[in-house]
Amino acid sequence: DAGVIQSPRHEVTEMGQEVTLRCKPISGHNSLFWYRQTMMRGLELLIYFNNNVPIDDSGMPEDRFSAKMPNASFSTLKIQPSEPRDSAVYFCASSLAGGPTDTQYFGPGTRLTVL
Amino acid sequence: AQSVTQLDSQVPVFEEAPVELRCNYSSSVSVYLFWYVQYPNQGLQLLLKYLSGSTLVESINGFEAEFNKSQTSFHLRKPSVHISDTAEYFCAVSGWGGSNYKLTFGKGTLLTVNP
Repeated sequence: DAGVIQSPRHEVTEMGQEVTLRCKPISGHNSLFWYRQTMMRGLELLIYFNNNVPIDDSGMPEDRFSAKMPNASFSTLKIQPSEPRDSAVYFCASSLAGGPTDTQYFGPGTRLTVL
Repeated sequence: AQSVTQLDSQVPVFEEAPVELRCNYSSSVSVYLFWYVQYPNQGLQLLLKYLSGSTLVESINGFEAEFNKSQTSFHLRKPSVHISDTAEYFCAVSGWGGSNYKLTFGKGTLLTVNP
């Protein structure tokens, strides 16, 4: 079975540009998570969807960040406008139901560099 | 609220030596504990998890971790490491409560196995 798919794997952009990261969760999983990983802050949960509905977006840094899940098989994380401090690895993960015992399955990540 | 402390940010060892990666947690509710591994340029993947029952849990590649409730610890051990075990290891905790979908991660421990 295919795991969580993310695209692009690498993105280099200039400050002020719009960036869109994409994620396809594992088929049948009802929960989707977006994380950001940096050296300074480690892994941070940005937003959590359950059955395509955003449940917790308290980790979204500011209004420049937005996320959507139009259907069960696709989600996007958008940054507009991007800033150098947004440079990080962004991971998408999915799990069966979002419960505390569920394993989260991570995608390979998108390495974002904002110049 | 939950938190995870990984006491060592880096652990260098020689091949075939034993290793212990330390993890302590704090939580006001019953917890479930996880170890995830991140190989270079990849996403995180589950190594093992403790949900209930026997406090000693094992992975398929020779790692084991022991849940110690009195010491609030979940240390990861392997009696003899291989070069291929070089990776970053993350301890994580979840639990029942208002945000029971949330996995709280430690900052990670980079295990480097040298020949």
